Amino acid sequence: DGGITQSPKYLFRKEGQNVTLSCEQNLNHDAMYWYRQDPGQGLRLIYYSQIVNDFQKGDIAEGYSVSREKKESFPLTVTSAQKNPTAFYLCASRLAGGTDTQYFGPGTRLTVL
Amino acid sequence: ILNVEQSPQSLHVQEGDSTNFTCSFPSSNFYALHWYRWETAKSPEALFVMTLNGDEKKKGRISATLNTKEGYSYLYIKGSQPEDSATYLCACSGSARQLTFGSGTQLTVLP
Repeated sequence: DGGITQSPKYLFRKEGQNVTLSCEQNLNHDAMYWYRQDPGQGLRLIYYSQIVNDFQKGDIAEGYSVSREKKESFPLTVTSAQKNPTAFYLCASRLAGGTDTQYFGPGTRLTVL
Repeated sequence: ILNVEQSPQSLHVQEGDSTNFTCSFPSSNFYALHWYRWETAKSPEALFVMTLNGDEKKKGRISATLNTKEGYSYLYIKGSQPEDSATYLCACSGSARQLTFGSGTQLTVLP
């Protein structure tokens, strides 16, 4: 089946540790996105990538890093520099051109203890 | 950053009631307006995308309208069912073609 997978569903880390969240898509989409959701807030854009080996900061990129070495994969690293990393993280992808509709993965809930 | 606002934040309706929510956005630098449905433990699912002033879209009992001149969109649900319970997100894109999301309207349909 085509789709976007994120793993793991729940992730626990100790404060001060870096952690990498996985996002894989087999939709042959060009662009990929990372969002963060906090209670009572909308989805906020962390990073996005329009093509392989290129990515741009979103609205809240501080404390995060990404890579896009393959079209299918867009991992997000939450570094120890992120002041408040506990949140729900959603990955999305989009086919270039068209209506900008993004397709989402199931999300990863990260809890930093 | 576009400022997208949704109201109400949450509402409860009885099964069979019709309801509607509002999404407001800046009318300048507008490209498209998206509605998503996000059910608990699932991924957000795209419902509609609209680009032209006066656009109306319909999918079963759910419909949406767009007014780009005044910067708002309405989502309507006719005859709400418990399976309609979800958070409804709207998102707006401008010339940069990135989506800015509102905080969502959480709908609970009581049987």
